[in-house]
Amino acid sequence: DAGVIQSPRHEVTEMGQEVTLRCKPISGHNSLFWYRQTMMRGLELLIYFNNNVPIDDSGMPEDRFSAKMPNASFSTLKIQPSEPRDSAVYFCASSFWLAGATGELFFGEGSRLTVL
Amino acid sequence: SQQGEEDPQALSIQEGENATMNCSYKTSINNLQWYRQNSGRGLVHLILIRSNEREKHSGRLRVTLDTSKKSSSLLITASRAADTASYFCAPHPNGSEKLVFGKGTKLTVNP
Repeated sequence: DAGVIQSPRHEVTEMGQEVTLRCKPISGHNSLFWYRQTMMRGLELLIYFNNNVPIDDSGMPEDRFSAKMPNASFSTLKIQPSEPRDSAVYFCASSFWLAGATGELFFGEGSRLTVL
Repeated sequence: SQQGEEDPQALSIQEGENATMNCSYKTSINNLQWYRQNSGRGLVHLILIRSNEREKHSGRLRVTLDTSKKSSSLLITASRAADTASYFCAPHPNGSEKLVFGKGTKLTVNP
């Protein structure tokens, strides 16, 4: 398997622009997570899905952030409008979850976002 | 809080020495997982210990778990320069797939 695939790997944009980050989870996994990593705040969980349904979005910082999972093989994280403080590395991770499962996460390589 | 707290925040040792990192948590857990992150890369799962286990080994890794103290430790024996990375613990709560990470321990192994 190719692992979790994220795109783009790097994005530089100007304040106010819309940013869309994409993630393809590992085939057969039914849970998908979006994390954000900065030096100051560490690794923050933004939102996670199970069977394409958002389960917990309490980590989404504000209404400018939205995430979708239209099918089992694709998810997007959108920021509109972007601000300099959104600059971070955004990670997508997937796992196979059932009651009693151990729930190891498999991470993508991240999307490094710079908002000027 | 669901996340684990790693200690120390940073650790610098010489190649060949052992490295010990600690993790404390607050919730009831199904298992506890350790991950490694090399600079500029995603996290990689290292080892998992279930709540009914006290110790687990994998190669040069040794993990312990004390559920009464809500703590875990990761020992890397005979460290190598390639072990230089950040290490994170993730307590896996009962009945949930949600994993929350702390700020990790940054390990530097000097050649």
